[in-house]
Amino acid sequence: GIQVEQSPPDLILQEGANSTLRCNFSDSVNNLQWFHQNPWGQLINLFYIPSGTKQNGRLSATTVATERYSLLYISSSQTTDSGVYFCAAYYGQNFVFGPGTRLSVLP
Amino acid sequence: DSGVTQTPKHLITATGQRVTLRCSPRSGDLSVYWYQQSLDQGLQFLIQYYNGEERAKGNILERFSAQQFPDLHSELNLSSLELGDSALYFCASSVDPGLSGYTFGSGTRLTVV
Repeated sequence: GIQVEQSPPDLILQEGANSTLRCNFSDSVNNLQWFHQNPWGQLINLFYIPSGTKQNGRLSATTVATERYSLLYISSSQTTDSGVYFCAAYYGQNFVFGPGTRLSVLP
Repeated sequence: DSGVTQTPKHLITATGQRVTLRCSPRSGDLSVYWYQQSLDQGLQFLIQYYNGEERAKGNILERFSAQQFPDLHSELNLSSLELGDSALYFCASSVDPGLSGYTFGSGTRLTVV
């Protein structure tokens, strides 16, 4: 099956800093999503992005499907951005999740 | 509110017991997916239903079963519970994940004591 890798596994930032999270996948996929799991455990959909670039406020994402990776950019980070960020690749009939990047934003 | 409703939010039960988790998908979504997230682990796909029929199976134990009813809500049944079954159980729904992705419910946190 497909392998989904994320880097870095952990990231600590000072409030206001920028960051880039990376997701690599081992095979061609039909879709890719980024999720944020907040400290209360809720999974929030950030982007559905099979290819190209999308932006939503301070967050943006880029997927280069031909090179099998996706990037999530967080600018001017806030403490509320803390949590775990998952990418998920749609392969076969379901989404396969990466192990996540745990982000801690310090005030 | 994502539109995907999961109940209960929390569940504490003893080893050996059986529990049922419920999921109501977003209006119009025919597919329901169940995932398990154990402590410090990623999300593992359990099973998918589409319009009442099982479509795909992942790492689901034989002690676990699921079904989707005519009104499209789904139930995940966990039996002979073990301590290691303690986890967050998520349900997601979609009209077509290849086109529009998943929407997750808020999850059920199961604690087996």
